[in-house]
Amino acid sequence: DVKVTQSSRYLVKRTGEKVFLECVQDMDHENMFWYRQDPGLGLRLIYFSYDVKMKEKGDIPEGYSVSREKKERFSLILESASTNQTSMYLCASRTSGLAEATIGGTQYFGPGTRLLVL
Amino acid sequence: AQRVTQPEKLLSVFKGAPVELKCNYSYSGSPELFWYVQYSRQRLQLLLRHISRESIKGFTADLNKGETSFHLKKPFAQEEDSAMYYCALSGGYNKLIFGAGTRLAVHP
Repeated sequence: DVKVTQSSRYLVKRTGEKVFLECVQDMDHENMFWYRQDPGLGLRLIYFSYDVKMKEKGDIPEGYSVSREKKERFSLILESASTNQTSMYLCASRTSGLAEATIGGTQYFGPGTRLLVL
Repeated sequence: AQRVTQPEKLLSVFKGAPVELKCNYSYSGSPELFWYVQYSRQRLQLLLRHISRESIKGFTADLNKGETSFHLKKPFAQEEDSAMYYCALSGGYNKLIFGAGTRLAVHP
């Protein structure tokens, strides 16, 4: 069974704190993604990674950074948390296999981390 | 610009009624489109993708390139269909571009 796990379901942090959100997948997927999910805005891509140590900015990277030191793990970092980063954060992964790349790959999502910044 | 538009935030129907969740897209190439669903307290998961031409849980979606649409349809809604539905477009680099989502509420 496909598994994407996220380190926390709920987090409460204070403004200015450094926040780490961890995501682990056990499917040997090359691609991993971080989204934030906000009502009325849907899912917006923050960062993604297509290989170890590789990262690309998504649509809303400001205020975030990422780390991918191992294939199975993709971390999202809020260097100095702000109240406008209060949101649900979703991690996802997908393969880059030829068949998937050809027909359109499925992204597998984690359960999400609900972050509240006070 | 690559964009997905879901014009309805909320769609409210009675059990047994037909359902159509609208999705329009903007994409310059050959699009790959998906519907994802999130049931209450569950993770987001793939419902169906246009290339598979499949029916999942009674839902179907047809890609209309002329109207740039990929509407999700079901002839008879069930209460267990109540969920948040997202239309998504594959936007290169294996990325997905999501719409804002439509909440479907099916009433008994």
